[in-house]
Amino acid sequence: GQNIDQPTEMTATEGAIVQINCTYQTSGFNGLFWYQQHAGEAPTFLSYNVLDGLEEKGRFSSFLSRSKGYSYLLLKELQMKDSASYLCAVRGISNSGYALNFGKGTSLLVTP
Amino acid sequence: GAVVSQHPSWVICKSGTSVKIECRSLDFQATTMFWYRQFPKQSLMLMATSNEGSKATYEQGVEKDKFLINHASLTLSTLTVTSAHPEDSSFYICSARDLEGNHYEQYFGPGTRLTVT
Repeated sequence: GQNIDQPTEMTATEGAIVQINCTYQTSGFNGLFWYQQHAGEAPTFLSYNVLDGLEEKGRFSSFLSRSKGYSYLLLKELQMKDSASYLCAVRGISNSGYALNFGKGTSLLVTP
Repeated sequence: GAVVSQHPSWVICKSGTSVKIECRSLDFQATTMFWYRQFPKQSLMLMATSNEGSKATYEQGVEKDKFLINHASLTLSTLTVTSAHPEDSSFYICSARDLEGNHYEQYFGPGTRLTVT
């Protein structure tokens, strides 16, 4: 099985930088994903890591350490619209058809 | 980018009735679609993996006779909640993997909010 942990809530100020951590334990590993989800909407893809290191995409970066079972999502130059839930998801080797197992999500509130 | 639609976007039904939710990939073919359920303030829980032309694979604890999945074509999968009960009220989301796209990317539909009264 898989156990995915991330903080429940975080608050940050507009213009600042915030790091959302995710730790996981899995019987097999085939990639880690970050999604953004606004209330009542479907998740939208942010990033994918399968090898160790940092992936940068605009204001968003994601880091992975497979040996530590650890990832983080870094959001720079925060904007009010970044207030959302951020979901860490792991795809395990045992999953059929590339299904994802999601953490409970981190609710980020960006304040003025 | 690839688009996945769901219909209906929301539905209210009475306890004991059945509800069908459709998931369509609009501009790509998807041999595999996934059905998730999300309760308020909780994360997405995978219910089943739907494969075109074959039986769905259900996650542990999900009743296959209650949640009927049909993946009749490369662009359509349906989830039917049979004999719905109030505890089935939830946000149901499907996702699809592009047959010819990046092997890792999944595209999510907008979700269907089901309320059983």
